[in-house]
Amino acid sequence: EAAVTQSPRSKVAVTGGKVTLSCHQTNNHDYMYWYRQDTGHGLRLIHYSYVADSTEKGDIPDGYKASRPSQENFSLILELASLSQTAVYFCASGDWGGYAEQFFGPGTRLTVL
Amino acid sequence: GDSVTQTEGPVTVSESESLIINCTYSATSIAYPNLFWYVRYPGEGLQLLLKVITAGQKGSSRGFEATYNKETTSFHLQKASVQESDSAVYYCALGEAGNMGYKLTFGTGTSLLVDP
Repeated sequence: EAAVTQSPRSKVAVTGGKVTLSCHQTNNHDYMYWYRQDTGHGLRLIHYSYVADSTEKGDIPDGYKASRPSQENFSLILELASLSQTAVYFCASGDWGGYAEQFFGPGTRLTVL
Repeated sequence: GDSVTQTEGPVTVSESESLIINCTYSATSIAYPNLFWYVRYPGEGLQLLLKVITAGQKGSSRGFEATYNKETTSFHLQKASVQESDSAVYYCALGEAGNMGYKLTFGTGTSLLVDP
């Protein structure tokens, strides 16, 4: 069974609306990550977390918030969705340390209209 | 900053033919980056295909191989004979351990379609 799951798998949102993307992991990993991928770009890191109740900014955090209520759950929140946030969003989990592999969820396709 | 450039897709190859997906990197902030290939099959998340930690070494998995060449800053993915089940999106990435656990910088991904 999948160790990193995301919900919803796809979503259509309206500009200015609030969107919450959820991620759940059963890997018992300390680190969790949110990435976005746009056409013509690689995955880019939005937020990450290394412990429950704490989140950190990644490379492109503007317009996003994150929440880590437990080790297993990590949410990405778009308070005021914009057209430019249309993308595929991936969640991942991993351990600290050198060469640590990241395990990814299947992605959420978000379309903002 | 650091960056990864890889073959622009989509790439179409006939079954049993050979494959090469080019990957070059620029690691301005990392002296000795680790290099990875991830693969994303339809409907699934990215999964690690292979990794190489040391320059000059080769990694291999599922018939794929890639050699970490520090001189040419390349990490090309090769397979001698592809199968239809290899149809997927392939991502080259460089990584380093740091405050954020493990930072990965990805290429744009190369979509591979294998014709049966």
